Amino acid sequence: QEQLVQSGSEVKKPGASVKVSCKASGSTFTNYFFHWVRQAPGQGLEWMGIINPRGGNRTYAQKLQGRVTMTRDMSTSTVYMELRSLRSEDTAVYYCARDRVTHAFDVWGKGTTVTVSS
Amino acid sequence: EIVLTQSPGTLSLSPGERATLSCRASQSVSSSYLAWYQQKRGQPPRLLIYGASSRATGIPDRFSGSGSGTDFTLIISRLEPEDFAVYYCQQYGTSLYRFGQGTKLEIK
Repeated sequence: QEQLVQSGSEVKKPGASVKVSCKASGSTFTNYFFHWVRQAPGQGLEWMGIINPRGGNRTYAQKLQGRVTMTRDMSTSTVYMELRSLRSEDTAVYYCARDRVTHAFDVWGKGTTVTVSS
Repeated sequence: EIVLTQSPGTLSLSPGERATLSCRASQSVSSSYLAWYQQKRGQPPRLLIYGASSRATGIPDRFSGSGSGTDFTLIISRLEPEDFAVYYCQQYGTSLYRFGQGTKLEIK
């Protein structure tokens, strides 16, 4: 069964960093792109960036440039999203999602809640 | 930068009725890269339509998508109780991805 399993909830202080993982199973890791999408409480979906596991190429949303890094571990079929210099506005549910190179997201993780609070 | 505007913001209908949701882009987008998602409270989004009109795996045929250029539409032909949710359109272009702000479909 194809699924994306994300790491657990995090609580961070302003200025700290958070790293969220997303492990893919049930399909060939390098056949897909992976995206990160976040959703602040009561708000819509915000695309954060994409990583291609095959070459490691990444593109980030301009708004997050300089604060976000996406990486992958080929040995465990896992992608990671690290967000630095956290602010209260970064409080959100963070989703990873798979893209079969159709540029649509066909499989989603259950989400990781990140709370930024002093 | 392309902006996707969804309308209406909220749509109040009864089960059995037809729902028409709109997604308008600020400039022309490729229909190959326009998708629709359904999201229920506390759940991740679910892909309904990709390539503007292709249903994703397991999506009932009461869901259909159409459109081109700047105007795209999601139609739910006969609403079932489980269809009441928030719907988002999403577009890809020039290495970037964008979502509309969502349409909430609520029970009248």
